[in-house]
Amino acid sequence: ILNVEQSPQSLHVQEGDSTNFTCSFPSSNFYALHWYRWETAKSPEALFVMTLNGDEKKKGRISATLNTKEGYSYLYIKGSQPEDSATYLCASMNYGGSQGNLIFGKGTKLSVKP
Amino acid sequence: EAQVTQNPRYLITVTGKKLTVTCSQNMNHEYMSWYRQDPGLGLRQIYYSMNVEVTDKGDVPEGYKVSRKEKRNFPLILESPSPNQTSLYFCASSDTRQGDVQPQHFGDGTRLSIL
Repeated sequence: ILNVEQSPQSLHVQEGDSTNFTCSFPSSNFYALHWYRWETAKSPEALFVMTLNGDEKKKGRISATLNTKEGYSYLYIKGSQPEDSATYLCASMNYGGSQGNLIFGKGTKLSVKP
Repeated sequence: EAQVTQNPRYLITVTGKKLTVTCSQNMNHEYMSWYRQDPGLGLRQIYYSMNVEVTDKGDVPEGYKVSRKEKRNFPLILESPSPNQTSLYFCASSDTRQGDVQPQHFGDGTRLSIL
């Protein structure tokens, strides 16, 4: 089984702080990298899907970058708000097995204090 | 409204009693998948299906079966449930347009407790 690692495991920030977290994934046979936002008692919601090395995607105050050669992606949140509190998951799709096999990291739990 | 619907949302049952968790999507998606979520382990893929009549094992398929006879439905079957299958289960679907990887849409989850 391929490993997808996320760091930090949890993060506590103050409202207004900008923050970022990391997703590391196998760079060999890379196909796609997904980011999801998961609020407590809800289901994961898609943020981004990235496929190309150097990809940068943005959605409001949240953005992500992708480095497929070294196998990492960063998620940035600018000016964190309490409603950003959630667990952020990344997931990697790699060739070799099947394109449908999606491996999730354990997530970064973000808490934003007002 | 575009959605992935799982049933039941909650179930408490006993070891060995066969059960099925249904999953249905109304977005005409080719791809569907089942995950389980356990504390400290994150989401782990059980089975997935790239299209009708095509299913593949994920990372933790033992003790589970699936079928994909129609595009919209992807039931998860536990033939002889055991306590280690107590978990929160999610079904997800996505489009698979060629050359363009699509994000997954998740259902609301099914919490199974097997005593």
